[in-house]
Amino acid sequence: QSVLTQPPSVSGAPGQRVTISCTGSSSNIGAGYDVHWYQQLPGTAPKLLIYNNKNRPSGVPDRFSGSKSGTSASLAITGLQPEDEADYYCQSYDSSLSGWVFGGGTKLTVL
Amino acid sequence: EVQLVESGGGLIQPGGSLRLSCAASGFTVSNNYMSWVRQAPGKGLDWVSVIYSGGSTYYGDSVKGRFTISRDNSKNTLYLQMNSLRAEDTAVYYCARSPYYYDSSGFKDYYYYMDVWGKGTTVTVSS
Repeated sequence: QSVLTQPPSVSGAPGQRVTISCTGSSSNIGAGYDVHWYQQLPGTAPKLLIYNNKNRPSGVPDRFSGSKSGTSASLAITGLQPEDEADYYCQSYDSSLSGWVFGGGTKLTVL
Repeated sequence: EVQLVESGGGLIQPGGSLRLSCAASGFTVSNNYMSWVRQAPGKGLDWVSVIYSGGSTYYGDSVKGRFTISRDNSKNTLYLQMNSLRAEDTAVYYCARSPYYYDSSGFKDYYYYMDVWGKGTTVTVSS
């Protein structure tokens, strides 16, 4: 059971918009720790997608956006493309565990 | 080029030990927070351990007391010593960097995200 909760799967047609939620608690997201998102394509290492809730590393398309409120965060992907099909993970820091925590991951299927 | 390359994985019997290495290039390991993250077959990401630039170390509950993170500054390499291995430790092990920054006061602080990842090394614990 992951400390951060994500839906196991989401799907959307090309061109559509999807969102992935990430719910934490008062010892991680709710404590003010930033949320970060990673994209993992099949058979590859995770790649940083969004950092500090809403910032994109260089090279990440602006179709990807992040937000955070209270004990939750969201990743939004607009203009879905086939190459967006991947697993997405949220991550934060947990003060009670003194360590990094991940969500269980969400598999995005582009129909 | 900033890069991390893991090595040392393999097939090991339950109860055995293994040491993973993560060689860094393009940056200095000791200047950053460095983590190990693992992924069991078909499962999600699981944070294993972190070593801070000052040398403090922290571990996930599932490996506490069995795994030890360390670094060799002269070799710019991160390590993970894994003892008393169990079948549930079977996973791809990634090393990753958490970068630093300087705040408005010039104080060095660290981000809690991982911006550079290696390709991973596979550990299989089985008899």
